[in-house]
Amino acid sequence: ENVLTQSPDTLSLSPGERATLSCRASQSASSYLAWYQQKPGQAPRLLIYDSSSRATGIPDRFSGSGSGTDFTLTISRLEPEDFAVYYCQQYGTPPYTFGQGTKLEIK
Amino acid sequence: EVQLVESGGGLVKPGGSLRLSCAASGFTFTYYSMSWVRQAPGKGLEWVSSMSSGSYIEYASSVKGRFTISRDNAKNSLYLQMNGLRAEDTAVYYCARESLDSSGHYYVNYWGQGTLVTVSS
Repeated sequence: ENVLTQSPDTLSLSPGERATLSCRASQSASSYLAWYQQKPGQAPRLLIYDSSSRATGIPDRFSGSGSGTDFTLTISRLEPEDFAVYYCQQYGTPPYTFGQGTKLEIK
Repeated sequence: EVQLVESGGGLVKPGGSLRLSCAASGFTFTYYSMSWVRQAPGKGLEWVSSMSSGSYIEYASSVKGRFTISRDNAKNSLYLQMNGLRAEDTAVYYCARESLDSSGHYYVNYWGQGTLVTVSS
């Protein structure tokens, strides 16, 4: 199974700052990597697929990069609504594993 | 607008069974691969099972042999039959629709609101 490890577990930043979230795979995921945002009591929402393609309706302050085993989600300038938990998922090889999540909290 | 509405969750004793349903609307259900993803209370996301439009099925090892995914394209519905339930199956179960990326791999792009399954005596 391809284990995904996200870092950091918690990221404390202020609105307006830049956020960089990491996802590392134990085996190559090629570019088959998605990022999701989840707020308390809500279902996850797709942000990025194919490592760097933004989903429909996602603001351009969200960007994804990477391939193989190292991936990054960058939020260029944090808005108040961006504080949430973020998950990466590889969908190239079953089981389609998720990372453990990074909680982005307001500093 | 894509809508996925899960139902069928509830409290069940260990060893019991439950059938989850997902009613889909806002898209041509027949054309899309569908999945179930679960989330234990306070924990992360775990992929459970997927079924393609052509009825190809995959399961996580933790549920293989106990859970069965199925679909009824005439009713625009996805199902998850869960047998031999264990305490560790307690979770919110999300129905999800998949789409193909440029390389022909499926990723989840729409989620339902989930239904809670609690396995406890």
